[in-house]
Amino acid sequence: GAVVSQHPSWVICKSGTSVKIECRSLDFQATTMFWYRQFPKQSLMLMATSNEGSKATYEQGVEKDKFLINHASLTLSTLTVTSAHPEDSSFYICTPRDGSTEAFFGQGTRLTVV
Amino acid sequence: ELKVEQNPLFLSMQEGKNYTIYCNYSTTSDRLYWYRQDPGKSLESLFVLLSNGAVKQEGRLMASLDTKARLSTLHITAAVHDLSATYFCAVARGETSGSRLTFGEGTQLTVNP
Repeated sequence: GAVVSQHPSWVICKSGTSVKIECRSLDFQATTMFWYRQFPKQSLMLMATSNEGSKATYEQGVEKDKFLINHASLTLSTLTVTSAHPEDSSFYICTPRDGSTEAFFGQGTRLTVV
Repeated sequence: ELKVEQNPLFLSMQEGKNYTIYCNYSTTSDRLYWYRQDPGKSLESLFVLLSNGAVKQEGRLMASLDTKARLSTLHITAAVHDLSATYFCAVARGETSGSRLTFGEGTQLTVNP
């Protein structure tokens, strides 16, 4: 299967600081990137969709100024959680897609805001 | 709005038994995915079902898709402890490959010795 690398795998940050999460597709070109969030004991919820070189499209209820997405290349996308608060603590997962039917996920990033 | 419902949400079964997890979805789609998630981990791809009547099997797991009924099933045969995990189905929204996935609530499976 496709190789997806997401970093960091876990991060603890202080309330009010920003955290950047990277997602790389190592052996394919990701024309589209999906970012999901998963709270404990819940399912995955789509946060935003981005296409390479374009602005991201955010799902209803997701603040675009708080969750900054950059998809500047076909192999790298970043999600920056700005001014993080404890309620942003969650498991963030990326899915780079190249238009094929398969959908592989990054390893996920466990964010804890204290 | 696409809705995906799984049942049961919790399943406790004994080793050696068979059981089926159901995944219903509300709008037309011909691509359905099954994933496994272990605690603290990301998703592991199990099956991609692309057409009506598709059936795929891997080890003790078998998945099927009925697009007319908007139903997929994940059948577990002779369960073993290692199958304990949370299983998600996800449905692709949109006509083209690479479109977004909408996930079911997940089924937490516990296989007891």
